[in-house]
Amino acid sequence: GESVGLHLPTLSVQEGDNSIINCAYSNSASDYFIWYKQESGKGPQFIIDIRSNMDKRQGQRVTVLLNKTVKHLSLQIAATQPGDSAVYFCAEKGWSDSWGKLQFGAGTQVVVTP
Amino acid sequence: DARVTQTPRHKVTEMGQEVTMRCQPILGHNTVFWYRQTMMQGLELLAYFRNRAPLDDSGMPKDRFSAEMPDATLATLKIQPSEPRDSAVYFCASGRTGGADTQYFGPGTRLTVL
Repeated sequence: GESVGLHLPTLSVQEGDNSIINCAYSNSASDYFIWYKQESGKGPQFIIDIRSNMDKRQGQRVTVLLNKTVKHLSLQIAATQPGDSAVYFCAEKGWSDSWGKLQFGAGTQVVVTP
Repeated sequence: DARVTQTPRHKVTEMGQEVTMRCQPILGHNTVFWYRQTMMQGLELLAYFRNRAPLDDSGMPKDRFSAEMPDATLATLKIQPSEPRDSAVYFCASGRTGGADTQYFGPGTRLTVL
């Protein structure tokens, strides 16, 4: 029978193009945000984080943007490569939550085409 | 290269059997998290520990699941008796308070209960 599960949004990107993955969060009291990358058969891997007192942070080929006004987080990947194909999760932590207690989003599947 | 390790990586068992999953957090990390990932529910937090003490296990079915940290280098998640609906990938993650709320994930244990 047909399998039922989470329907992950999918982003198809051509190799070499820039990718933008979006995440909407609901808790206006969240003060810390992380992006994770999960390749097939592996655990989530930390990519980059940002605190709520910042609106932009850059890493190697990645940039995270935070818009607290509209509660929106995005991950930009420059010059997308085949190895970037994975599911990308955003996670948030409320300022009153215990250290490290994160709320994860459902994820976005990124498919890099040659 | 410090990593979270998990054993076993794969486990197939029959309904009613006991299952024990093990996790070795990164040396020096004092917080350990257990997650379950399924297609239906995504990534769910089951329980977490700080300095070996359980802080929150509200995400865990109490009647059959138990989580412990016998020492700072070992965390265990036990299911007894196991049921087919427990089939999932179980992840352990660790972190260290005092810094960013970043968690580092292990490779996961893929559990199949027949």
